[in-house]
Amino acid sequence: DSGVTQTPKHLITATGQRVTLRCSPRSGDLSVYWYQQSLDQGLQFLIQYYNGEERAKGNILERFSAQQFPDLHSELNLSSLELGDSALYFCASSPRLAELQETQYFGPGTRLLVL
Amino acid sequence: DAKTTQPNSMESNEEEPVHLPCNHSTISGTDYIHWYRQLPSQGPEYVIHGLTSNVNNRMASLAIAEDRKSSTLILHRATLRDAAVYYCILSSRGGGADGLTFGKGTHLIIQP
Repeated sequence: DSGVTQTPKHLITATGQRVTLRCSPRSGDLSVYWYQQSLDQGLQFLIQYYNGEERAKGNILERFSAQQFPDLHSELNLSSLELGDSALYFCASSPRLAELQETQYFGPGTRLLVL
Repeated sequence: DAKTTQPNSMESNEEEPVHLPCNHSTISGTDYIHWYRQLPSQGPEYVIHGLTSNVNNRMASLAIAEDRKSSTLILHRATLRDAAVYYCILSSRGGGADGLTFGKGTHLIIQP
């Protein structure tokens, strides 16, 4: 158990809909990262927040957005969903910044299926 | 970003050592070498990381070539629980982009 929790575990929705995925980092960790894992693209970094502020962006679509709240939990919002958005979404956390070469601790993931 | 090259899959027997290679010929002086693994139906899990010197921890050892263009993750005594996809990742110190760039990794199969 990494100490990172994600809800829900599974999510089934229809094209065009909007969903919110939630992540609670390990106690005391300030950085939260979101990753998407699909069969064709593998594990891709989407976005990172550090202490409430956006820190880095990866291959995140404009239809996707995220935020980190004062209690440090984070939400990833996916809108206008398409079939291709079906994937596993992982959240990870680290104490401070990865550029300090700190370990990232991954949650169990949310499996999203868009029908 | 500097790239890594790993074999698609490797097979080993339980209780034997496993050597997982990684080539990173374009590594820069500020790149750290990280290894993560992903067990079936789970999120990635940190294994080990290093810069220039060989590193040991309770999970594995990391042997880094003198020219740093390759490295080897060593599992000293594989168990069935070590069956996973192993990712070799380069991460730049102070690079500003903090997300990890995962490649396809090596699928490690452990035979009982």
